[in-house]
Amino acid sequence: DVKVTQSSRYLVKRTGEKVFLECVQDMDHENMFWYRQDPGLGLRLIYFSYDVKMKEKGDIPEGYSVSREKKERFSLILESASTNQTSMYLCASSLTGGFGEAFFGQGTRLTVV
Amino acid sequence: AQSVAQPEDQVNVAEGNPLTVKCTYSVSGNPYLFWYVQYPNRGLQFLLKYITGDNLVKGSYGFEAEFNKSQTSFHLKKPSALVSDSALYFCAVRDITFSGNTPLVFGKGTRLSVIA
Repeated sequence: DVKVTQSSRYLVKRTGEKVFLECVQDMDHENMFWYRQDPGLGLRLIYFSYDVKMKEKGDIPEGYSVSREKKERFSLILESASTNQTSMYLCASSLTGGFGEAFFGQGTRLTVV
Repeated sequence: AQSVAQPEDQVNVAEGNPLTVKCTYSVSGNPYLFWYVQYPNRGLQFLLKYITGDNLVKGSYGFEAEFNKSQTSFHLKKPSALVSDSALYFCAVRDITFSGNTPLVFGKGTRLSVIA
């Protein structure tokens, strides 16, 4: 069964902390994505990567960075967490070529206090 | 630029009745279209997709969707709703004209409530 696994379901962090969200996929997919989900705003793309060590900014990259050192792992980093980064974070992966659907992890609900 | 509109925040339907969740899209080239469902505190699950070919696409759990190019729509349908269909539904589009690596763009979601 195909799988995208996010390291935590729930996280509580303090303002100013550096936060790491980890995502691992076992499908050998080239593309990986980080989205943020907020009520009434749907899913918004933070960053994506279409190859190891490659990254592209999405619609809302400010305050975030990413790392992809291995094909199966894509990390989202909040350099200095702020309360407005409290949200549900969703990782996804897909094959290249465009026709493949994206597979999602179970989500990480991050609360910054 | 790509965009998706889901005009209804909430759809209510009685169990056993047909349901429709609306989606319209905007792309500069050719669209690939997707529907996903999200249950509480879970990630998104893929339901169905339109890539090419037959405009009526069948997917998981008895759902189907019809691609209408002239109306730029991709509405999700089911002939007979179940209480267990109650969830948040997202439509997404990818414009593959320029790159197969273009990310999915999602609508804001429609909450479906099926009443027994």
